Amino acid sequence: NAGVTQTPKFQVLKTGQSMTLQCAQDMNHEYMSWYRQDPGMGLRLIHYSVGAGITDQGEVPNGYNVSRSTTEDFPLRLLSAAPSQTSVYFCASTPGGGGDTQYFGPGTRLTVL
Amino acid sequence: AQRVTQPEKLLSVFKGAPVELKCNYSYSGSPELFWYVQYSRQRLQLLLRHISRESIKGFTADLNKGETSFHLKKPFAQEEDSAMYYCALSRYNQGGKLIFGQGTELSVKP
Repeated sequence: NAGVTQTPKFQVLKTGQSMTLQCAQDMNHEYMSWYRQDPGMGLRLIHYSVGAGITDQGEVPNGYNVSRSTTEDFPLRLLSAAPSQTSVYFCASTPGGGGDTQYFGPGTRLTVL
Repeated sequence: AQRVTQPEKLLSVFKGAPVELKCNYSYSGSPELFWYVQYSRQRLQLLLRHISRESIKGFTADLNKGETSFHLKKPFAQEEDSAMYYCALSRYNQGGKLIFGQGTELSVKP
């Protein structure tokens, strides 16, 4: 199993550009999440999904869109990139339930100029 | 509001010394507590979860509901323990939603 995969690993955007961060998992997990990691702030939840067709907002959803058409994929779309979105983005998946382990992807380092 | 606080940004100890990484939380219900670790150039991974009450790599953590704490402890630190440690909380049956603390960087010197 590849686990949780993310593409690209690195990306540089100009302000106003849009892009999609890809996330896929091959463990048949129902729950998937997107976090951003910023120095001194830990990881903050952007959006999450409890199954195909079901998504909800996390702590910092503004400027991001998600959709979940399949169990495997959970892309994160930046609609109009801003310098404040410069961050490291992590995708994670878990079978479900509060006590289950979350499995993280390797991360995407995004810089917005 | 739910919150996780890790008061130390950086903790530096010598090899063989005891280590305690502090974690305090605020949550009105019954939380699920975790410690995640990120070694250099590796992805974030689970170290401990309170429901398992296990010891991993010599680390233990006890949930103290009275003090709302979940401190991570190890009696003798090793150089390979150097990493970023995050305490995290989720609501019961909301596994997709973790609330993380700010993280503590542990540096173990030889």
